[in-house]
Amino acid sequence: GDSVTQMEGPVTLSEEAFLTINCTYTATGYPSLFWYVQYPGEGLQLLLKATKADDKGSNKGFEATYRKETTSFHLEKGSVQVSDSAVYFCALSGKSGGSNYKLTFGKGTLLTVNP
Amino acid sequence: GAGVSQSPSNKVTEKGKDVELRCDPISGHTALYWYRQSLGQGLEFLIYFQGNSAPDKSGLPSDRFSAERTGGSVSTLTIQRTQQEDSAVYLCASSLEAGDSQYFGAGTRLSVL
Repeated sequence: GDSVTQMEGPVTLSEEAFLTINCTYTATGYPSLFWYVQYPGEGLQLLLKATKADDKGSNKGFEATYRKETTSFHLEKGSVQVSDSAVYFCALSGKSGGSNYKLTFGKGTLLTVNP
Repeated sequence: GAGVSQSPSNKVTEKGKDVELRCDPISGHTALYWYRQSLGQGLEFLIYFQGNSAPDKSGLPSDRFSAERTGGSVSTLTIQRTQQEDSAVYLCASSLEAGDSQYFGAGTRLSVL
């Protein structure tokens, strides 16, 4: 079945540092890939997505590129802020019975950014 | 509404009682999903609705769990005879169509004592 593996962390960085959170996946066919973020005490928010190979999703300074050859979707940000402290989830939406639907999530990576 | 709304936000119940969790999706979204978030298991898919029908119930952990959706809108997740292992945050998401981006509610935190 489909699966997502991401670095579990926790990751602790200083403000303005470079961020990479690794994510790899296993799926049949051509899934869509997502990064969701969960701020303390809040629900999941869609951060960015990519629906086909070589697509780059971007939002709020975060980027991730859909790499089919390495089955990866690593999240990057050039300069993190304290407000980026949150849990980040990598996810895929695969195809089953001809329809895309459920999300399969990684275990999440806790990011803490210190001033 | 502006976003996915879930109620209650918190629910404390005694072992063996039944609970109902409600989800009000974004207006016009035809697909609705329930997930469960727990420390041990992470985020798990429970059930998916397209309109009022549920093509995939494969994630429901036992026959104590059921869900329905009426009018292509509001959905209710029911847990009968709750057990302590049911304690988790239950998340609802909706999307315009199946396969589109899913938008999540804030969740219902269920605590079974």
